Amino acid sequence: SYDLTQPPSLSVSPGQTASISCSGDKLGDKFVSWYQQRPGQSPVLVIFQDDKRPSGTPERFSGSNSGNTATLTISGTQAMDEADYYCQAWDNTPAAVFGGGTQLTVL
Amino acid sequence: QVRLVQSGSQLQKPGASVNLSCEASGYTFINYAISWVRQAPGEGLEWMGWVNTNTGKATYAQGFTGRFVFSLDHSVKTAHLQIRNLKAEDTAVYYCARGNTVRGIQVYFFDYWGQGSLVSVSS
Repeated sequence: SYDLTQPPSLSVSPGQTASISCSGDKLGDKFVSWYQQRPGQSPVLVIFQDDKRPSGTPERFSGSNSGNTATLTISGTQAMDEADYYCQAWDNTPAAVFGGGTQLTVL
Repeated sequence: QVRLVQSGSQLQKPGASVNLSCEASGYTFINYAISWVRQAPGEGLEWMGWVNTNTGKATYAQGFTGRFVFSLDHSVKTAHLQIRNLKAEDTAVYYCARGNTVRGIQVYFFDYWGQGSLVSVSS
């Protein structure tokens, strides 16, 4: 099976840059999506196709993907960005695979 | 606007069955597949599989064969998830999500999600 690995947690101060990594074998050969899940809410798509923002995603969110690592970057992090973030890609089955999630704390 | 509205929370006993629904609105139902995603308490997201809303063909992820059944009711633009012979480990929030793609590119992502249905299994 294909695995995606994320750091369990990350803390940043308001206004700083948060970078959340997602690692997988040859991940750069696949497209990665990122989802934000605030406590008690449903996931929300924030990045698709590695670096594309859906309408409604603030410009401070950006994505990249190369080699074995994809990264979600939040510039000028705000308190409202505090949430769990999940990366997602497709294995060769194809089946959707999610990373374990990263809990972002803004303090 | 696009909406996926799911059925409410349920408490069931082990061995029982549960039926969850996901009603779509705001778009052409048969043009987008519906996936089901499970989230156990305090855990991450787990893809269960998807159903082709045009053909009705269901594809189940590893670990979700046998007791899990995806179905559709086109008349009311609704996808259903049935879980049979419930076990305590089935306690989770179940989400439906719409799959989308970009024309000409082999990319697929989940652009809209339902609010989730909590299933609790306890004797």
